[in-house]
Amino acid sequence: NAGVTQTPKFQVLKTGQSMTLQCAQDMNHEYMSWYRQDPGMGLRLIHYSVGAGITDQGEVPNGYNVSRSTTEDFPLRLLSAAPSQTSVYFCASRRARDYGYTFGSGTRLTVV
Amino acid sequence: KNEVEQSPQNLTAQEGEFITINCSYSVGISALHWLQQHPGGGIVSLFMLSSGKKKHGRLIATINIQEKHSSLHITASHPRDSAVYICAASYNNNDMRFGAGTRLTVKP
Repeated sequence: NAGVTQTPKFQVLKTGQSMTLQCAQDMNHEYMSWYRQDPGMGLRLIHYSVGAGITDQGEVPNGYNVSRSTTEDFPLRLLSAAPSQTSVYFCASRRARDYGYTFGSGTRLTVV
Repeated sequence: KNEVEQSPQNLTAQEGEFITINCSYSVGISALHWLQQHPGGGIVSLFMLSSGKKKHGRLIATINIQEKHSSLHITASHPRDSAVYICAASYNNNDMRFGAGTRLTVKP
C-alpha cells in the first residue's frame, strides 16, 4: 500500500493564481483532512471529510475549497492564491473516528 | 475556545535519560493524539488515547481526563528519538486542535 500520497511536493505560485493540491489514499479510509503548518503556529485544520460526498470546514477554511467525489481522493483547491497561504500543507486519513491518522509527506507551497 | 498547550517547547537530553512531554487541553475531547514529526518533515501518528495509558516500545502515553492532561514519556532515550512531538485534541464535532510542538534533541 502507498498510504497517503500528496502531489506536488513543492510549488511556487504567483499571487492570484489558482491550483489544486492532490491527496489520495489507498487504505479505504473514510475520514480525510487537510492541515497547514506555519512556523510558530503549529498545525491547523483547514477542511475535512467523513466520507464521499461529505465535507466540512475546520479552523482555517477561508481561501480554500474541497470536494470528496470518491473515497480515495480529497483535493484542496486554492482559487486565488495569496502570500498568506505560503505554508506546508499536509493531508491525512484515518479509517474512522476511533483510529489514528496516516499523514502524507506534505506539500511546501510558496506564494509570491 | 479549544486550546491545546504543550510543554516544554524545547528539550535537550542526554542519551539514556527518561523524558516527559506534557500536554493540556481546555475543553472535553473525544481523543488525544501524539504525533512525531521527523527532521525531514514527515509526520507519524504515535498514539491515540481517550483514557488510561498506552505503551509502544520505549514510548508511553497517559491521559487524565479529569485534569485534562496528557503526558508522553520516552524511556532510555536515544539520538534517533530527536524530533518534534506534537499533541492534538480531537472533538466530537470532528474539529481538531494541535499543540505547538516540543522539539526534542537527544545527545549521544
